[in-house]
Amino acid sequence: EVVLTQSPGTLSLSPGERATLSCRASQSVGSSYLAWYQQKPGQAPRLLIYGSSSRATGIPDRFSGSGSGTDFTLTISRLEPEDFAVYYCQHYGSSPLFTFGPGTKVDLK
Amino acid sequence: QVQLQESGPGLVEPSETLSLTCTVSGGSISGYYWSWIRQPPGKGLEWIGYIYYSGNANYIPSLKSRVTMSVDTSKNQFSLQLSAVTAADTAVYYCAKVDGRRDTNGYFYGQFDSWGQGTLVTVSS
Repeated sequence: EVVLTQSPGTLSLSPGERATLSCRASQSVGSSYLAWYQQKPGQAPRLLIYGSSSRATGIPDRFSGSGSGTDFTLTISRLEPEDFAVYYCQHYGSSPLFTFGPGTKVDLK
Repeated sequence: QVQLQESGPGLVEPSETLSLTCTVSGGSISGYYWSWIRQPPGKGLEWIGYIYYSGNANYIPSLKSRVTMSVDTSKNQFSLQLSAVTAADTAVYYCAKVDGRRDTNGYFYGQFDSWGQGTLVTVSS
């Protein structure tokens, strides 16, 4: 089973700043198999990135994903007020098929 | 994009069976994989399982003995049953559509591109 860890647990930033979120897998995974989600309080998660670097439909280009092997990164180039939320990475594997990381909260500094 | 809506009891007694239904609108349930995902209050996301429109299902090993998923293509619905529930099963339950793709080697992979709003199920007497 692939275990995902995310860091930092909380990231305190101001609007306009750059956010860099990390997702590390316990073993090497295919870059196609890593996705990122955003979740705001009281809402369902929203798919941001799939295939480690492809933006989902309607996602602004300030969101970008990168990485390979065991280390993956979600970058928000300039934080907008609506970007303060919790972000989860997700892996598609074998058993279980889908696993999520514990999340990184991006909050207002 | 399709819309998903969960429905079912918000309160289930310990040892009973939790039953939820997800209704899909704005598109057909046929041709896709559909999942249930849960989130205990204040915690992270846990995938429970998926069901293909044909009825083929796959569950997370830790819940496999208690989970059953089914699909009704005539109603554009799929369902979750979780038996012998305890307080640890208290969570917001989401239904979601699997966005399935093929990588450069032709292997299938997936992520969740449409979600229901979620429904809180509390296990308590």
